[in-house]
Amino acid sequence: NAGVMQNPRHLVRRRGQEARLRCSPMKGHSHVYWYRQLPEEGLKFMVYLQKENIIDESGMPKERFSAEFPKEGPSILRIQQVVRGDSAAYFCASSPGRGRAEAFFGQGTRLTVV
Amino acid sequence: GESVGLHLPTLSVQEGDNSIINCAYSNSASDYFIWYKQESGKGPQFIIDIRSNMDKRQGQRVTVLLNKTVKHLSLQIAATQPGDSAVYFCAENPQGGGADGLTFGKGTHLIIQP
Repeated sequence: NAGVMQNPRHLVRRRGQEARLRCSPMKGHSHVYWYRQLPEEGLKFMVYLQKENIIDESGMPKERFSAEFPKEGPSILRIQQVVRGDSAAYFCASSPGRGRAEAFFGQGTRLTVV
Repeated sequence: GESVGLHLPTLSVQEGDNSIINCAYSNSASDYFIWYKQESGKGPQFIIDIRSNMDKRQGQRVTVLLNKTVKHLSLQIAATQPGDSAVYFCAENPQGGGADGLTFGKGTHLIIQP
């Protein structure tokens, strides 16, 4: 049973470009969570999705950021017109259901904006 | 501001000794707490969790203690091994479970000395 798969592991974008981060949850998991981690910081919650639904996006910046989890395929975190301050590690976690204690994290995507 | 914080950024212990990592939280309504271990370049790994109706929970070589009176959480690691070197995060979830809306502390870097 493969774990949570994120790709790419490293992503370099120039200011103004778009970044697309992908997350495939563990088999059997229908709940996906995205977190952002700045250097030397803890993780910050961004968004919680189920298949085709955004459940909680209270941590998402109001502009330029969007997330989806389609019926088929991975969850996508999309950042438009990236700026240097978007440079961070973005982690995805999945769980089989809400309220289930243990969520498994992926290895993360390290975004560098140059 | 942060509702979860750690007392020390770095903790250095001798191999074989016990480690204690502390965490303070400010939201008295928080119902669920988790400790994560994050090795360099990897995603957070679940270690142990505890709900607010408990004050102690034990796992394999780890124990979590919860003191709701002073809003304090600690992680005890017995007989520390080189593989325990990592950054340890405490996280709280006011919603009582799952990985949505977790609030992470900044982390304590545990260093194991031979």
